[in-house]
Amino acid sequence: QVQLQASGPGLVKPSQTLSLTCTVSNGSFSRGDYYWSWIRQPAGRGLEWIGHIYATGDTNYNPSLKSRVTMSLDTSKSQFSLKLTSVTAADTAVYYCVRDYFGSGSYPRYNFYYMDVWGKGTTVTVSS
Amino acid sequence: DIQMTQSPSSLSASEGDRVTITCQASDDIYNYLNWYQQKPGKVPKLLIYGASNLRTGAPSRFSGGGSGTDFTLTISNLQPEDFATYYCQQYENFPLTFGGGTKVEVK
Repeated sequence: QVQLQASGPGLVKPSQTLSLTCTVSNGSFSRGDYYWSWIRQPAGRGLEWIGHIYATGDTNYNPSLKSRVTMSLDTSKSQFSLKLTSVTAADTAVYYCVRDYFGSGSYPRYNFYYMDVWGKGTTVTVSS
Repeated sequence: DIQMTQSPSSLSASEGDRVTITCQASDDIYNYLNWYQQKPGKVPKLLIYGASNLRTGAPSRFSGGGSGTDFTLTISNLQPEDFATYYCQQYENFPLTFGGGTKVEVK
């Protein structure tokens, strides 16, 4: 059964860069069957999609964060990563790395697209 | 961006009740809608995809319906393990967006 585990600093200072890595185990990371997303959730609030990356390295980001976000992948290590620059307290949240299944079609329109496997989430606090 | 609005934001119900949650999209999303369940301290879990398709292994008391801009998630015969927060999510266009959530609480 595929498992995702996010790792990275739990505390980041304002204006600095948040960096997280997700390790995918027991899964088909390098095959082109999935997108790999980052989603965040501030305490007591809803879910926000940050963006995703495909096996080719193609990325799509939420426009609300696009100027600050970079995603990358390392297929040799079955890892994908998130960098978020110039963080503020508003970036404090639980960050999830997620596997996205997609059906037939091509970006941006698929007949099915859903998050089917979630990592446990890692809490990142932005504070001095 | 397509805005997703859920109602109610919370509801109280008893075991055995039938519960319906609604999700409205700001634009036509056809049937490109998913539902997730999240329990406190846990990760979200997919329940329904494509508006009405029950994920393998999900209990049959969950059902989804609707198309266009208006969707529903119905839980028939509410069970103790169903008390949780439910989110809708659209994939008609990117960025993917979620509803604000509906918390189902014990009455």
